[in-house]
Amino acid sequence: KAGVTQTPRYLIKTRGQQVTLSCSPISGHRSVSWYQQTPGQGLQFLFEYFSETQRNKGNFPGRFSGRQFSNSRSEMNVSTLELGDSALYLCASSRLAGGGEQYFGPGTRLTVT
Amino acid sequence: ELKVEQNPLFLSMQEGKNYTIYCNYSTTSDRLYWYRQDPGKSLESLFVLLSNGAVKQEGRLMASLDTKARLSTLHITAAVHDLSATYFCAVDYMDSNYQLIWGAGTKLIIKP
Repeated sequence: KAGVTQTPRYLIKTRGQQVTLSCSPISGHRSVSWYQQTPGQGLQFLFEYFSETQRNKGNFPGRFSGRQFSNSRSEMNVSTLELGDSALYLCASSRLAGGGEQYFGPGTRLTVT
Repeated sequence: ELKVEQNPLFLSMQEGKNYTIYCNYSTTSDRLYWYRQDPGKSLESLFVLLSNGAVKQEGRLMASLDTKARLSTLHITAAVHDLSATYFCAVDYMDSNYQLIWGAGTKLIIKP
């Protein structure tokens, strides 16, 4: 069974630009969650999508948004990038929403200059 | 708001020794998870602990959960170099919506 895939793996952007990251979950998994990992703040939950609906949300500004498609693939968008948005962005998939074991993708390393 | 504290944050130990990583959380929760992260890699699920008194073991790692004390432990027995990694605990948190709250991670270095 294929694992969670994320594209691109690495990205360099300039302040003020926007970026879109993609995540394909494990086949049969309908929940996709997104996390930000930084050395200073650690791992932080961004949001969770299930059946094309945002079910849960962390404490991030509105510049961070996402969506999920009918095939459960998910995208995360960050607008008006700031230097502090430089991070490893991880997505994880699971069968159900709202908790349970998650399977993580390799992450997208975003650098904002 | 739920806070999750891990200690120690850094641990250097010799192969063959035993040690324990602690994970405390501040409010009631039903589920606790342990994950492993190798340098430059993603997160790998180790254990899901669902109830008070739950104990799970995989190889040299054993995790337990005491929901009354709001404490989970990850015990390493006879450590080997391959267990060097960063270990995270995470806790389900529900208020107006669900979030998964993470500990800061314990960086474990096992020296031959």
